[in-house]
Amino acid sequence: TQLLEQSPQFLSIQEGENLTVYCNSSSVFSSLQWYRQEPGEGPVLLVTVVTGGEVKKLKRLTFQFGDARKDSSLHITAAQPGDTGLYLCAGTDNAGNMLTFGGGTRLMVKP
Amino acid sequence: DTGVSQDPRHKITKRGQNVTFRCDPISEHNRLYWYRQTLGQGPEFLTYFQNEAQLEKSRLLSDRFSAERPKGSFSTLEIQRTEQGDSAMYLCASSYHRLEQFFGPGTRLTVL
Repeated sequence: TQLLEQSPQFLSIQEGENLTVYCNSSSVFSSLQWYRQEPGEGPVLLVTVVTGGEVKKLKRLTFQFGDARKDSSLHITAAQPGDTGLYLCAGTDNAGNMLTFGGGTRLMVKP
Repeated sequence: DTGVSQDPRHKITKRGQNVTFRCDPISEHNRLYWYRQTLGQGPEFLTYFQNEAQLEKSRLLSDRFSAERPKGSFSTLEIQRTEQGDSAMYLCASSYHRLEQFFGPGTRLTVL
């Protein structure tokens, strides 16, 4: 069974601070997705990383896939209150038939 | 295209009742997935369809759960004889083959 562990589980920071969220596994994934979820809504796809060592930037968000494709990180620069939400990482195996999700990181950015 | 839609958004039922949820995927997507998410956890895979064929089911999908996707378009998820442990958010996602999965807004089920 493939498992993904996210850390930290909760993060409360002030507007303007930087933060990093980690997603780790002992298994290799063919790709990894990051989603953001608001209360009462479905997850919204932010990015997909496929290649080991890949780095993708989305405005103030930087996503990295580990060289061995077992881990990933999400770095947010100068966090804003609008970044508040649940950040989920999810991996697909070679068959690509389902997503295995981490437990999520709940981020609160205070103005 | 309006994305993945789910109906109803909220359902409150009494223990022992049957409930049915509907998911309409993005129109050109041939794959449709069902996930369940309990409070404070990430979503867990339940089952998926490629066109009208149900190709994989999780151990989480007990005999009381059944899913269909007639004609490879919309899908329904039925839970029979609901239990309090079934209370969760039921999420539907769709994709074009093995590409990225896009989620609907979910159906929040509360079993009293």
